[in-house]
Amino acid sequence: KAGVTQTPRYLIKTRGQQVTLSCSPISGHRSVSWYQQTPGQGLQFLFEYFSETQRNKGNFPGRFSGRQFSNSRSEMNVSTLELGDSALYLCASSTDSQETQYFGPGTRLLVL
Amino acid sequence: AQSVTQPDIHITVSEGASLELRCNYSYGATPYLFWYVQSPGQGLQLLLKYFSGDTLVQGIKGFEAEFKRSQSSFNLRKPSVHWSDAAEYFCAVGGELTGGGNKLTFGTGTQLKVEL
Repeated sequence: KAGVTQTPRYLIKTRGQQVTLSCSPISGHRSVSWYQQTPGQGLQFLFEYFSETQRNKGNFPGRFSGRQFSNSRSEMNVSTLELGDSALYLCASSTDSQETQYFGPGTRLLVL
Repeated sequence: AQSVTQPDIHITVSEGASLELRCNYSYGATPYLFWYVQSPGQGLQLLLKYFSGDTLVQGIKGFEAEFKRSQSSFNLRKPSVHWSDAAEYFCAVGGELTGGGNKLTFGTGTQLKVEL
């Protein structure tokens, strides 16, 4: 099976812009989770989607949002970008709750 | 709230030497425990996991980990390190959430350097 894919791999934006990142899970996986990785804060959970519904959410401002489509592909959006949003954004998929999460290669976002 | 502590930020070992990376967790119920490895600029690769059963679990690349409930630990070990093992290693805990769902809480990571 193909692994988790994320597009784009690299992105440069300026403050105030918005950005949309995409994640395609492993075939058959219905749960998609998003994480932010920064040198200062480490790996932090953003949110999880399952069957097109947000099931869990981490402690991030409302500028961070996401959605999931009927084919389980997921997008996350960050509006009004700030310098501190520069990070590696990782997507992970799993079959369901309490199952192993498999990670994609990440999207590296740089905000100037 | 669940939490994970990896007390060693950096570890340096010689190639061929044994390795132990420490991980302590805090969780109210039976945890699901994971070790992931990350090479520079890459995503996270699963090394091994513990859900239940045998407390000594085997993973890929010759790694193993032992779950010790009394010590709230899940240390990662490898008997003989290879230069290609140089990477950052993350311990993570997951478990039952109200309403179901997946959420992993990660430690801060241990950067492994291998001396030739």
